Amino acid sequence: EAGVAQSPRYKIIEKRQSVAFWCNPISGHATLYWYQQILGQGPKLLIQFQNNGVVDDSQLPKDRFSAERLKGVDSTLKIQPAKLEDSAVYLCASSLVRQGRSSNTEAFFGQGTRLTVV
Amino acid sequence: AQSVTQLDSHVSVSEGTPVLLRCNYSSSYSPSLFWYVQHPNKGLQLLLKYTSAATLVKGINGFEAEFKKSETSFHLTKPSAHMSDAAEYFCVVSRQMNYGGSQGNLIFGKGTKLSVKP
Repeated sequence: EAGVAQSPRYKIIEKRQSVAFWCNPISGHATLYWYQQILGQGPKLLIQFQNNGVVDDSQLPKDRFSAERLKGVDSTLKIQPAKLEDSAVYLCASSLVRQGRSSNTEAFFGQGTRLTVV
Repeated sequence: AQSVTQLDSHVSVSEGTPVLLRCNYSSSYSPSLFWYVQHPNKGLQLLLKYTSAATLVKGINGFEAEFKKSETSFHLTKPSAHMSDAAEYFCVVSRQMNYGGSQGNLIFGKGTKLSVKP
């Protein structure tokens, strides 16, 4: 089974530029997450989608970050304009939605996109 | 509100000796707890999870963790360390949501870096 795919793997941009990341979740996973992992810290949830609707975006800096999940499959995360403190690894994850007591709804993570803002 | 605290930022052991990575949690609900591992330049991988079934949870690669409600702890152990265990380990609690859709809305600890000496 194919895992969560992310691209690009690495990106270097100057501050105030824009950048976009792409994620393709595991087939059949209705829930998709974007996490930000700053060096030396644990990942922090930015946004959670279920199908193409936003479930939780309470920690997304909405003045510069945006995300969409058209058609409930692939997703893009955009930063515009980027700041130095946005340098981090951006992780995408996906999971099934609970259906019954035996559903396994653990999150599966992609390898991430490492963003460096200079 | 939920949180996890990893008590050690770095643990160093010799190959063949036991591993203990400590984690305390805080939750006003019955928590779902996880341990994830992150090898350099690789994605996050689920080691094991506790979801209110057996308090002793067995995971992959010989790791296990015990949920102790009285101590609010979920420590990760392994009887004998292997060189390939060297990685960053994250204790994680699932954020309680108003719907029971999935277990991917996660709060990560700051991580414990495990080093294994030959």
